[in-house]
Amino acid sequence: AQRVTQPEKLLSVFKGAPVELKCNYSYSGSPELFWYVQYSRQRLQLLLRHISRESIKGFTADLNKGETSFHLKKPFAQEEDSAMYYCALRGVAYGGATNKLIFGTGTLLAVQP
Amino acid sequence: GAVVSQHPSRVICKSGTSVKIECRSLDFQATTMFWYRQFPKKSLMLMATSNEGSKATYEQGVEKDKFLINHASLTLSTLTVTSAHPEDSSFYICSAFLAGGNTGELFFGEGSRLTVL
Repeated sequence: AQRVTQPEKLLSVFKGAPVELKCNYSYSGSPELFWYVQYSRQRLQLLLRHISRESIKGFTADLNKGETSFHLKKPFAQEEDSAMYYCALRGVAYGGATNKLIFGTGTLLAVQP
Repeated sequence: GAVVSQHPSRVICKSGTSVKIECRSLDFQATTMFWYRQFPKKSLMLMATSNEGSKATYEQGVEKDKFLINHASLTLSTLTVTSAHPEDSSFYICSAFLAGGNTGELFFGEGSRLTVL
């Protein structure tokens, strides 16, 4: 079964401190992992995906298949990073990718001044 | 980027009535849309996959007769909460899949808050 676990409901850090939002997944196949962000009163939007290996707004995430993790990191947090962050998994079925995304429960990042 | 719009953004209804929520992809066609329910603790639960021209695929535990999904065109999917009760009060979010590139991308609507009195 597909499952995404985000163990922290809330992560509070001070501005300039490093941030690591944890995400672990369970999937028997080869998954695609994503991070979505929801700023206050805004819609959910894609932050980054593991396939792209990109850095967005200073955030990076590396897929670790051995540990089945996809933690989101940023070396120096900014106040504008305060938001709800969701880790998501899309299973890749035989014959092609499915488009169904399964989300973790989310972690609220609060960056204090 | 692509835009997905939901309507209404807020709706209040009496217990026992039915409510329809629309999800539109404004500048692209989406053969697949998804409906999620966001609970007060902020967890996002996938309710169903809406497939254009065919029946929706519901996740385990979601009542298909309670949450009717229709995807009649490539730009519109509707979710009807039938005989709504207070426990159906929630934030419902749709997303539409835009194919392209390596894997495509999901774009989300702004959500619809349903309050059942």
